Amino acid sequence: AQSVTQLDSHVSVSEGTPVLLRCNYSSSYSPSLFWYVQHPNKGLQLLLKYTSAATLVKGINGFEAEFKKSETSFHLTKPSAHMSDAAEYFCVVRKNSGYALNFGKGTSLLVTP
Amino acid sequence: GAGVSQTPSNKVTEKGKYVELRCDPISGHTALYWYRQSLGQGPEFLIYFQGTGAADDSGLPNDRFFAVRPEGSVSTLKIQRTERGDSAVYLCASSLGSGISTDTQYFGPGTRLTVL
Repeated sequence: AQSVTQLDSHVSVSEGTPVLLRCNYSSSYSPSLFWYVQHPNKGLQLLLKYTSAATLVKGINGFEAEFKKSETSFHLTKPSAHMSDAAEYFCVVRKNSGYALNFGKGTSLLVTP
Repeated sequence: GAGVSQTPSNKVTEKGKYVELRCDPISGHTALYWYRQSLGQGPEFLIYFQGTGAADDSGLPNDRFFAVRPEGSVSTLKIQRTERGDSAVYLCASSLGSGISTDTQYFGPGTRLTVL
């Protein structure tokens, strides 16, 4: 079965410094992987999506993620954090059957001034 | 354009009561999904509709939970004999289709269900 593990439940960075949110996946074949962001009291928003077209995926708001098959990783990065990036981030893989998504437990990103 | 909408935004009920949660997907989206998010957790899949039919209901926790989408648009999630453990945010998502270029899921704001 497809699953993801988010390695950090909380990450704290200073404004203007790089962001790294780590995610490892488990999959029996080439997976579809996503990152979603959830701001307080707002709906989930898709940041980016990997579907095997390119290993480096660029998303919205300056975020990007790199698919590394050898490491079974799909880490999310951003060169310079902004205060508005503070939110909950979910790494997601599509389930084996059908089109349902399997979410990780989430990483809470705190950005300090 | 309009996104996915869910009503009500909040629902408080008593243990043992019946509740209905409504989802209006994005117009033209053929696929609709229900998820449940407990406090401090990621969303968990409940059920997926393609058109009017439930293509995958493997995530429904038990037979107290049921969902319908009679005309292939609006969907209702129904919970009978609610229990305190059903308290969570219920999320709905829709996608244009199920192919690689059309399967991005767009989420609604959720319905927060509290069972007292």
